[in-house]
Amino acid sequence: GQQVMQIPQYQHVQEGEDFTTYCNSSTTLSNIQWYKQRPGGHPVFLIQLVKSGEVKKQKRLTFQFGEAKKNSSLHITATQTTDVGTYFCAGMDSSYKLIFGSGTRLLVRP
Amino acid sequence: GAGVSQTPSNKVTEKGKYVELRCDPISGHTALYWYRQSLGQGPEFLIYFQGTGAADDSGLPNDRFFAVRPEGSVSTLKIQRTERGDSAVYLCASRRDRGTSEQFFGPGTRLTVL
Repeated sequence: GQQVMQIPQYQHVQEGEDFTTYCNSSTTLSNIQWYKQRPGGHPVFLIQLVKSGEVKKQKRLTFQFGEAKKNSSLHITATQTTDVGTYFCAGMDSSYKLIFGSGTRLLVRP
Repeated sequence: GAGVSQTPSNKVTEKGKYVELRCDPISGHTALYWYRQSLGQGPEFLIYFQGTGAADDSGLPNDRFFAVRPEGSVSTLKIQRTERGDSAVYLCASRRDRGTSEQFFGPGTRLTVL
């Protein structure tokens, strides 16, 4: 079955440093979504990427979708303590089913 | 407006018992999803409803798990003969319609099987 792998599992950074998480799918995706889950909370939608090679920005966050639509990345510039949480990518197939990666837990030292 | 709600927020049960978990999606959302999340893992897809029908139930782990959405709104996830391995947070999410992709998650039900 379809699998979505995400690395790294953890990232501990100093406030102000950059952060990147990478996502790879075993199959070509219709689209990819990114979610953020704060400690003790539930996943919250960040963005969706649909087109091959697409790049989207949200303030300090930059999302990329690979040319083959099998990989994606999330880059945060100049992290802040409010960025703490677990970031999940989730690949959607043609049946509208989301397959989540295992997430990257971001910790930020103030 | 209200978001997705789930009840109960916590459920502790004994091995072998039957449990029901309820999800109230955002009003008007036609799609509803159930996921299971274990500690340190991403949400694991269980089942997806479009309206009243289960469009994809390929994630249900075995026949002890069943879900219904009889009127196309509220959904109930039913687990028979619970096992300790069923302990997890059960998340529900809803999506407005086929033209949108964003899923709105509820707070989850933490199920503990003793």
